[in-house]
Amino acid sequence: DGGITQSPKYLFRKEGQNVTLSCEQNLNHDAMYWYRQDPGQGLRLIYYSQIVNDFQKGDIAEGYSVSREKKESFPLTVTSAQKNPTAFYLCASSALDREETQYFGPGTRLLVL
Amino acid sequence: AQSVSQHNHHVILSEAASLELGCNYSYGGTVNLFWYVQYPGQHLQLLLKYFSGDPLVKGIKGFEAEFIKSKFSFNLRKPSVQWSDTAEYFCAVNGPRGNTDKLIFGTGTRLQVFP
Repeated sequence: DGGITQSPKYLFRKEGQNVTLSCEQNLNHDAMYWYRQDPGQGLRLIYYSQIVNDFQKGDIAEGYSVSREKKESFPLTVTSAQKNPTAFYLCASSALDREETQYFGPGTRLLVL
Repeated sequence: AQSVSQHNHHVILSEAASLELGCNYSYGGTVNLFWYVQYPGQHLQLLLKYFSGDPLVKGIKGFEAEFIKSKFSFNLRKPSVQWSDTAEYFCAVNGPRGNTDKLIFGTGTRLQVFP
């Protein structure tokens, strides 16, 4: 069953704590993305990666970090430097073809205690 | 920079009413255009997309969208909505073609359909 999985579904963060959100895909897609969704603001790009061991900052990368050690995996770390982390985080992947359609995972909701 | 505008933030309709959600983008070059839908409690799903060819694109669940290049628009339509269409709808644009780092989303339109 092909697709994108994200875990956990809900995540709670304490002040000053780093937390890591998991994203795995078995679609054999080269590109992976992380977005943040806030009410009334749509989706904003945090980081993306087109190839293993390489990634680029999106529009709102401050306070976040990523790694791409495997093609299938693109974990996102929300660091303590991110002052407003409460949001819905969406991971996506796409083939690097002419259409470049992105497919999304179910999301992780991060809440600050 | 590329931007996407969805002018309708919240739309309320009765079942069987017709729907049109506006989407305008700013980039004048060759683009890929998408509509995504997010049903309550579910993940973002692709509704339809325009890549090239016929500017009238048919999607799932009876939705369609028309690409009008001269107006930089890609409006979503459905002739008769159902209660199950209640969801949030996002327009997105990817361009210039081949630039995968820039799938730009609109702010979304929340559609509520009442029986």
